[in-house]
Amino acid sequence: DAGVIQSPRHEVTEMGQEVTLRCKPISGHDYLFWYRQTMMRGLELLIYFNNNVPIDDSGMPEDRFSAKMPNASFSTLKIQPSEPRDSAVYFCASGRRTEAFFGQGTRLTVV
Amino acid sequence: KQEVTQIPAALSVPEGENLVLNCSFTDSAIYNLQWFRQDPGKGLTSLLLIQSSQREQTSGRLNASLDKSSGRSTLYIAASQPGDSATYLCAVRIGAGGTSYGKLTFGQGTILTVHP
Repeated sequence: DAGVIQSPRHEVTEMGQEVTLRCKPISGHDYLFWYRQTMMRGLELLIYFNNNVPIDDSGMPEDRFSAKMPNASFSTLKIQPSEPRDSAVYFCASGRRTEAFFGQGTRLTVV
Repeated sequence: KQEVTQIPAALSVPEGENLVLNCSFTDSAIYNLQWFRQDPGKGLTSLLLIQSSQREQTSGRLNASLDKSSGRSTLYIAASQPGDSATYLCAVRIGAGGTSYGKLTFGQGTILTVHP
């Protein structure tokens, strides 16, 4: 298995633009997580899905953030409009109830 | 709300030393605890996972212990090597009554540097 695949690996965008981050989880995993990592706040859980259904989105910072999981093999995290303070590394992870495997992350820079 | 704290924030040691990284959590109702390693610019690699009913787990030169009642875990690295240099993250998975809720809460990490 190729592991959790995230794209793009790096994204530089201008303030106000829409950004879409993509994630392909490991086949057979029924949980999918989106995390954000910054120097100041460390790793924060944004949202997680179980069997494609959002379970807890309390970590989503604002309405500008949205996440979808249309099927078991794909998820997106969208920021619209983007702001400089959204600059961070965004990680997707998948797993079963008891363990999680992380992707390589998407480094987002909003200028 | 579960909070996870890691001490020290950074550690620099000479090659060959045995070292201990500490993790504490505020809510003892955890399902399991996982230690990760993160290299610069990379994702997280799982090192060890300890179930709430276990006291320790070992993998090679790594040993992780768990004291759920006191809300503590330690990661012991024996005979450290320069290749061990990375950030080590502790994360707890909440749960109650044998049910895991899936999500992990992370500590801020310990940045380890092992110099030759």
